[in-house]
Amino acid sequence: DTAVSQTPKYLVTQMGNDKSIKCEQNLGHDTMYWYKQDSKKFLKIMFSYNNKELIINETVPNRFSPKSPDKAHLNLHINSLELGDSAVYFCASSQSPPGLGTDTQYFGPGTRLTVL
Amino acid sequence: GNSVTQMEGPVTLSEEAFLTINCTYTATGYPSLFWYVQYPGEGLQLLLKATKADDKGSNKGFEATYRKETTSFHLEKGSVQVSDSAVYFCALSEHTNAGKSTFGDGTTLTVKP
Repeated sequence: DTAVSQTPKYLVTQMGNDKSIKCEQNLGHDTMYWYKQDSKKFLKIMFSYNNKELIINETVPNRFSPKSPDKAHLNLHINSLELGDSAVYFCASSQSPPGLGTDTQYFGPGTRLTVL
Repeated sequence: GNSVTQMEGPVTLSEEAFLTINCTYTATGYPSLFWYVQYPGEGLQLLLKATKADDKGSNKGFEATYRKETTSFHLEKGSVQVSDSAVYFCALSEHTNAGKSTFGDGTTLTVKP
């Protein structure tokens, strides 16, 4: 059984379009995250939700909007896509409630976004 | 703020060589420390972790010891295999701030037969 799944795995689109990436976890975790990994493999956190509530919102353009319909899902919607948005986007989850900090994060397989 | 500094890569070794990937950190409190591994085309997965000073994490022949006095968490393996070729990330997670994690820049390891 896949613990953290993302769809789609690949996404190729034109500049200016709007797209969404979906993430689901079946681990019963309370916290979910979105990360962006650039071509040099640098990993940057974008957002984190705990029980559907936004708890981390890094410096990310407001074209990026996360949505958590329930604690098992965290989707990422991107408006007006730009060339610089091309990257691999990873969803992750952890059991940790705020402040615990010891829990492992479980990552999805990634979505490779290419903006042409 | 918190930060994690990893040894720059890429690192290329021959099979059965000894591996060390250095990792040092700065944090305001007493974080938990992690090593994650990313195999080609996949997401990150936990390799090992340590939650307090002097703890040693180990898995698949890899190990790392949480050294508070030197703020380090160096990854070691005595004899690497071709299948260890991957990107390795050192990370810390605070016991505050919603458990937010800070990742290093990753070190790419290539092991040649």
